[in-house]
Amino acid sequence: GNSVTQMEGPVTLSEEAFLTINCTYTATGYPSLFWYVQYPGEGLQLLLKATKADDKGSNKGFEATYRKETTSFHLEKGSVQVSDSAVYFCALQETSGSRLTFGEGTQLTVNP
Amino acid sequence: DAGITQSPRHKVTETGTPVTLRCHQTENHRYMYWYRQDPGHGLRLIHYSYGVKDTDKGEVSDGYSVSRSKTEDFLLTLESATSSQTSVYFCAISEGATSLEQFFGPGTRLTVL
Repeated sequence: GNSVTQMEGPVTLSEEAFLTINCTYTATGYPSLFWYVQYPGEGLQLLLKATKADDKGSNKGFEATYRKETTSFHLEKGSVQVSDSAVYFCALQETSGSRLTFGEGTQLTVNP
Repeated sequence: DAGITQSPRHKVTETGTPVTLRCHQTENHRYMYWYRQDPGHGLRLIHYSYGVKDTDKGEVSDGYSVSRSKTEDFLLTLESATSSQTSVYFCAISEGATSLEQFFGPGTRLTVL
């Protein structure tokens, strides 16, 4: 079956530091890949997505590239802010409308 | 923001009692989902619906049932709540046919004592 593995957290950084959160996946087909973000007390929001190999998703300074050869979709940001403190989830979806398979989530805390 | 509401937002109940959680959408999206969120597990799919009266099981469906009698409402029922069902429950919706994105509700925190 499908699965998503995220780097273990929590992650604590200082403001303006570089962020990488690793995500690898196992899937039978060619899934679409997502990063969702959850701010305290809220539901999940889509951060970025990529639908095929070598696609790069980007939003709000975050980027992730769909790497089929390494089955990875690592999240990066060059300079984090305190407001980026949240839980980040990597997820995959086989087809439009089908279920999302989530990783465990990574708690990011950014200190001023 | 997508129009998704969940009720109640918080509930404390006792083991063995029935509980129903409601998800309401104003987007007329075809697909609706119920997930539970637990530490170390991310979100796991309980049940989903691909149309009125059309539902199917997810990966953690035991102890849960769902109903969807109209497009805008998707109900999740715990027939006899257990402490293992203490969790945060999220509803999500998706247009499905042309859009991959799922939009999530604010969540319901359920505590079973």
